[in-house]
Amino acid sequence: DVKVTQSSRYLVKRTGEKVFLECVQDMDHENMFWYRQDPGLGLRLIYFSYDVKMKEKGDIPEGYSVSREKKERFSLILESASTNQTSMYLCASNPPNSEWSPYEQYFGPGTRLTVT
Amino acid sequence: AQKVTQAQTEISVVEKEDVTLDCVYETRDTTYYLFWYKQPPSGELVFLIRRNSFDEQNEISGRYSWNFQKSTSSFNFTITASQVVDSAVYFCALRPSNTGKLIFGQGTTLQVKP
Repeated sequence: DVKVTQSSRYLVKRTGEKVFLECVQDMDHENMFWYRQDPGLGLRLIYFSYDVKMKEKGDIPEGYSVSREKKERFSLILESASTNQTSMYLCASNPPNSEWSPYEQYFGPGTRLTVT
Repeated sequence: AQKVTQAQTEISVVEKEDVTLDCVYETRDTTYYLFWYKQPPSGELVFLIRRNSFDEQNEISGRYSWNFQKSTSSFNFTITASQVVDSAVYFCALRPSNTGKLIFGQGTTLQVKP
């Protein structure tokens, strides 16, 4: 089974702190994604990566950065956490998609981040 | 614009009732994919089904069935004889053909009461 793990289920940080959220997948997937989930807004894509050291902005990248130094690990960084970044953060991965092979994304359990 | 709308924010049913979750999407692509995911209280999204835009056959898997209609841009999900374990948040998502990104709807919270 594909396994996507996230470093913490719950995290509480103070405003202004630098926050690292880690995601690791064990299936050698090329693609990795970071989403945030908020009530009434569904999942919104923050950043994604198609390969090591490659990253692309999603729909809401402001206030976030990412790092992908190894294929299995994709980190989300909040440079200076703010209260409006309190949310559930979900990581996902899948093999490369082509027009005729649309793999589903496999999700981690999520990290519920509270910024006070 | 590409968009997915799940107009039902919350649905509450009593066990054994049938329930349909609506999903309407917008895209100008001719090739695209649609997905349904389930998010139980544990938090992890679980993949349920994928459909490509050229396959309008309805699908049934046990108590679950999906009705894909391109004419109305809808991909609705029906649970027959609902059970308490079906209580979860359900997401519909669209994947345009030229990208690996998923565009999610707002989600529908389903509560099945005993």
